[in-house]
Amino acid sequence: SQQGEEDPQALSIQEGENATMNCSYKTSINNLQWYRQNSGRGLVHLILIRSNEREKHSGRLRVTLDTSKKSSSLLITASRAADTASYFCATDAPGDDKIIFGKGTRLHILP
Amino acid sequence: GAVVSQHPSWVICKSGTSVKIECRSLDFQATTMFWYRQFPKQSLMLMATSNEGSKATYEQGVEKDKFLINHASLTLSTLTVTSAHPEDSSFYICSAEWAGAGTQYFGPGTRLLVL
Repeated sequence: SQQGEEDPQALSIQEGENATMNCSYKTSINNLQWYRQNSGRGLVHLILIRSNEREKHSGRLRVTLDTSKKSSSLLITASRAADTASYFCATDAPGDDKIIFGKGTRLHILP
Repeated sequence: GAVVSQHPSWVICKSGTSVKIECRSLDFQATTMFWYRQFPKQSLMLMATSNEGSKATYEQGVEKDKFLINHASLTLSTLTVTSAHPEDSSFYICSAEWAGAGTQYFGPGTRLLVL
């Protein structure tokens, strides 16, 4: 299965701290994407990193990709209460337009 | 741009009835639409992929006679949950993309509760 696995499954940190979430996957990919989902809501696309990229930044987000280890990490710096949400990685394989989601990390930012 | 809507956002129905959920791409032509299901505190599971004008491709374990998908136009796909039962209660999310985009745009989801 292509499905990614995030760890940790749940993470609670103090506001202002950095949050790091990891994602591992099993087969070759074209792209890896990170999404955020607030409770009971739809998905918000955060960032896409291609298989030939190693690192990407967007505001307080930093994503790394290590294709040799089939893993990615999402770092949120200077966390805020509004960052409380579930975060999912999703991958698509070469020649396939399906994207497969990981199990997600539930992030809780404590005030 | 690239907005996808779903209707309804909430639906409650009695067991045995059928429910139709619409997914629309508002500002682009979606050559492919995807339907996902998400149970509480779980991830999104792909149910099926539909291309405009052709039959949907269902993922393993998804009953095509139970979850009818129609993608009759480039801006509309529908998912009909036939003879719904309480175990079909879930959050259903669609996404859409246009040919070669490489990015799916997600709808806000439809929460289905079957009593």
